[in-house]
Amino acid sequence: GENVEQHPSTLSVQEGDSAVIKCTYSDSASNYFPWYKQELGKRPQLIIDIRSNVGEKKDQRIAVTLNKTAKHFSLHITETQPEDSAVYFCAAFGGATNKLIFGTGTLLAVQP
Amino acid sequence: DTEVTQTPKHLVMGMTNKKSLKCEQHMGHRAMYWYKQKAKKPPELMFVYSYEKLSINESVPSRFSPECPNSSLLNLHLHALQPEDSALYLCASKDRDTSNEKLFFGSGTQLSVL
Repeated sequence: GENVEQHPSTLSVQEGDSAVIKCTYSDSASNYFPWYKQELGKRPQLIIDIRSNVGEKKDQRIAVTLNKTAKHFSLHITETQPEDSAVYFCAAFGGATNKLIFGTGTLLAVQP
Repeated sequence: DTEVTQTPKHLVMGMTNKKSLKCEQHMGHRAMYWYKQKAKKPPELMFVYSYEKLSINESVPSRFSPECPNSSLLNLHLHALQPEDSALYLCASKDRDTSNEKLFFGSGTQLSVL
């Protein structure tokens, strides 16, 4: 079945710096890759997603890139702010299982 | 309405109790999901309902019993739970279970089993 690896597990940056989180998936038939932000005790919130027919997508300070050949996708946050501090999960959907499989999560801390 | 509503928000129960978690959406979605999330871990899929029929059961213990009374409602019946079942239970929905579209999450039920 699908397996999604996510790195790093923790990331600390200074306010204003950029943050990059990387994920690798195993099922080449996966076709949808969302990113979720989750604050403590709250629901996962979709922040950006990308489909397999697109290589890059940007929404203000957030961008996602997808390399289908390498089965890698990454989240880029520019000009980080303290309110960006949260756990971020990547996920992959599709392929043989038609399930949304989550990565292990990255705890991002933005230091003011 | 783009909300998935879950009740209750918090639940404390003993190991001999029977309780139910409820989930409701009015987006016309035909796929509904139950996830379990332990602290600092990713959500783990438990069940998927597609067109009101159970399509995926991730080998969940029988003390968890899902029910989909209609296309807008999803329940999770709990009986004889163990303390290790304490977690955040998340309901989610999407247009269809096979579509590469957004999964909408409810705010969850924080369950504590004593």
